[in-house]
Formats: sequence, C-alpha cells, structure tokens
Amino acid sequence: GAGVSQSPRYKVAKRGQDVALRCDPISGHVSLFWYQQALGQGPEFLTYFQNEAQLDKSGLPSDRFFAERPEGSVSTLKIQRTQQEDSAVYLCASSLGRSYNSPLHFGNGTRLTVT
Amino acid sequence: AQSVTQLGSHVSVSEGALVLLRCNYSSSVPPYLFWYVQYPNQGLQLLLKYTSAATLVKGINGFEAEFKKSETSFHLTKPSAHMSDAAEYFCAVSDNTDKLIFGTGTRLQVFP
Repeated sequence: GAGVSQSPRYKVAKRGQDVALRCDPISGHVSLFWYQQALGQGPEFLTYFQNEAQLDKSGLPSDRFFAERPEGSVSTLKIQRTQQEDSAVYLCASSLGRSYNSPLHFGNGTRLTVT
Repeated sequence: AQSVTQLGSHVSVSEGALVLLRCNYSSSVPPYLFWYVQYPNQGLQLLLKYTSAATLVKGINGFEAEFKKSETSFHLTKPSAHMSDAAEYFCAVSDNTDKLIFGTGTRLQVFP
C-alpha cells in the first residue's frame, strides 16, 4: 500500500558518527512531522513541514539535529555527531492538512541505536 | 502549555471484559484530543478524535471516548475486549497549532 515509508528500519551508529534518516510521505500529503520516541515514552515532537517550508522546529533537541524537505515530498532528518542519548525510534508522519483536522499517518519508524 | 497524562502504564483485562484507558489533559484553549494505537512493529494509527462536534466520539474497532470538560478527561473505552486489542494506546492533545502532544502511553494486555 501507499503508506508512509521510513528507511532504514534499523540503524546502529557509533558515538560521534553522522546519520541520515529518510521519510517518504504519502503522495499529496502537505504536512510532514518528525517525532522522537524514547523507550517507554510517547512520541515527542521534533519538527514540522508544510510542503517545503519548515514551520516549526522547536522540538529539535540541539543544533546537531537538522531536517529538510527540499521539494516538499521526501524528508531527511540528519543527526550529526550522534550521542548515546539520541538512541530512540524516530517516527515520521504525514497528513493532507493540519494535524488536528486531518489524521496523521505514521511510518513504522527508524530505530537508532548509538553505541 | 498543553499536556496529557495517561494514568496506568499497563492495563490487563480478560477477553470480553470492559476496557477503560484513562487520559487527562491540560490546555489553555479548547483542545483537540486524539487516541492513537500502536500494534507491535507497526506505526501509530488513529483510533478516534474529538474536535468539539460531539462529546461522545466513536472510533474504529468498537472503541469510543467521551470528552468531559469539567473533569478535563478523555477516557477511552470498549465494552468487550478482544485478544486483537492488545497494543499500546496513546492519548494526544493539540491546541490549534500543528503539533500533537502525546502521553506516555498505556500498554493493554488481554488475557483469554
């Protein structure tokens, strides 16, 4: 089916390495969100795009985190100089409109483990 | 600022019993409220949402939730649990901005 696709499904990185996580939203979805889900916790908002514009990046935990969506479709979340506290599942979600009006469709996530 | 509190990180019920998962919210403006379900190794999917149209909201798979402003609650219920309901359930709130604030989740176990 044409759901939200995230890759890789699992990523192991050594501390200090850079990683890039990819999200392919549902075709035609305007809004795209990134969430971070630590073990045993609920998803925490990282950043939000409407088409190619990054409208809210208030949840990015540090300047090591960077997200882009250059053509308003595929998005990449980049983490530089990974730290152990970055270990989590990174969820991408897309919706047709604004999140409270249109349901969010989530991908299965990328599980990042920093060793 | 908005927040969500889910009481009980684990709930266990017998098959056929009532399911009650608790959610209380805090919001300075009329909230939009959501319940999402996450099955093992799958993404979150929307169960139901409250957007002020009706206080009793019916969702998929027989779940429903009632918005109670006086109690700032949005508890999720299902009259009769099924084995396939075993999953993690997340309550979430939005205050007209585009981001959802999620609770910490409640893992539902269903015993035969």
